[in-house]
Amino acid sequence: KQEVTQIPAALSVPEGENLVLNCSFTDSAIYNLQWFRQDPGKGLTSLLLIQSSQREQTSGRLNASLDKSSGRSTLYIAASQPGDSATYLCAVGENNNDMRFGAGTRLTVKP
Amino acid sequence: DGGITQSPKYLFRKEGQNVTLSCEQNLNHDAMYWYRQDPGQGLRLIYYSQIVNDFQKGDIAEGYSVSREKKESFPLTVTSAQKNPTAFYLCASSIGQGGIGQFFGPGTRLTVL
Repeated sequence: KQEVTQIPAALSVPEGENLVLNCSFTDSAIYNLQWFRQDPGKGLTSLLLIQSSQREQTSGRLNASLDKSSGRSTLYIAASQPGDSATYLCAVGENNNDMRFGAGTRLTVKP
Repeated sequence: DGGITQSPKYLFRKEGQNVTLSCEQNLNHDAMYWYRQDPGQGLRLIYYSQIVNDFQKGDIAEGYSVSREKKESFPLTVTSAQKNPTAFYLCASSIGQGGIGQFFGPGTRLTVL
């Protein structure tokens, strides 16, 4: 059974710092990997989706990488801002429809 | 605007009562999902449906039921058999083919009194 782990569980950084969030998974036979943002009490907002054949995706200050062989993905956030404060979840797609979620990393960016 | 709506945002229920959570999407997606989120944990799949009039159990289906009579609607009923129903419930949809990932609604927080 696929297990998805996100480390650290919580992270606090000063504004302007570059940071990396980590996601690891146990079964490399994945279909895709998706990073989400969740604000308190809200639904999930999709940030980046990486297909299994891709190595990375970029959107603005965000860059996500995927290394299937080592079972790892990272989300890089450049020049962090207080508005980036949220919980970041990664989810591994095992086929077209089934996704396994990590518990998330709660990020706080201090002004 | 295309999207997924869930209602109500907050729901309170007495023990022993069934309650139904609504999920509607106008994205023309074939697949729809229900997840449960507890504090400090990842999302866990309750039920999913890949097509109208068909649905499958997820990892934690006990105490829940669903229906999929229309493509745009996937209501979830939390029955009295669910031992610990207080949680945040999230509905999602995906195109079903093509792997573009899942889109989520705003969630319903259910509290059992």
